[in-house]
Amino acid sequence: SQQGEEDPQALSIQEGENATMNCSYKTSINNLQWYRQNSGRGLVHLILIRSNEREKHSGRLRVTLDTSKKSSSLLITASRAADTASYFCATAYQTGANNLFFGTGTRLTVIP
Amino acid sequence: EAQVTQNPRYLITVTGKKLTVTCSQNMNHEYMSWYRQDPGLGLRQIYYSMNVEVTDKGDVPEGYKVSRKEKRNFPLILESPSPNQTSLYFCASSLTGADYGYTFGSGTRLTVV
Repeated sequence: SQQGEEDPQALSIQEGENATMNCSYKTSINNLQWYRQNSGRGLVHLILIRSNEREKHSGRLRVTLDTSKKSSSLLITASRAADTASYFCATAYQTGANNLFFGTGTRLTVIP
Repeated sequence: EAQVTQNPRYLITVTGKKLTVTCSQNMNHEYMSWYRQDPGLGLRQIYYSMNVEVTDKGDVPEGYKVSRKEKRNFPLILESPSPNQTSLYFCASSLTGADYGYTFGSGTRLTVV
């Protein structure tokens, strides 16, 4: 399968704590993207990191990419109850690739 | 507002009765795609289109058809639905493909009985 794999499958934290989710993939990528999905709703694009980048920030989100380990992490700082959602990584395997391959997601619950 | 619009949101149908799920985007995106989401399997791509009249199969195309006659529309057709096509379906669009982030529709929950 060309899907990435997220770890952990589920994560429960207290409001204010940081949440870290990991994604591993199998072959060389052009870019890796993170999406959020609120229960049963459409996915929302959060951040895209290209293979020549190591770290990107967007608000309370920090994404790292380690191409030597074929892994990425998403850190959400100072979490809020509204961050409760499923988070997916998606990989694009070559420049001009037509397809994104999505993992099965990490279910994050932030307890108020 | 830039968006991808899918209809209907919910659909219950019987085995064998042809149906169409519509998808429309207002961002002038060249790339459009259909995914299905099933518990434990993540999102799997059904079909995609790089531009008008250009479509190609994704990972799970069996039992589905698509067409791209206009840039904004990309309908998903189930000619003879079966219960194993019960799923949550998403349409997505992007400027030119996976080099950019995707914009997703709100989803269509299909039940085939």
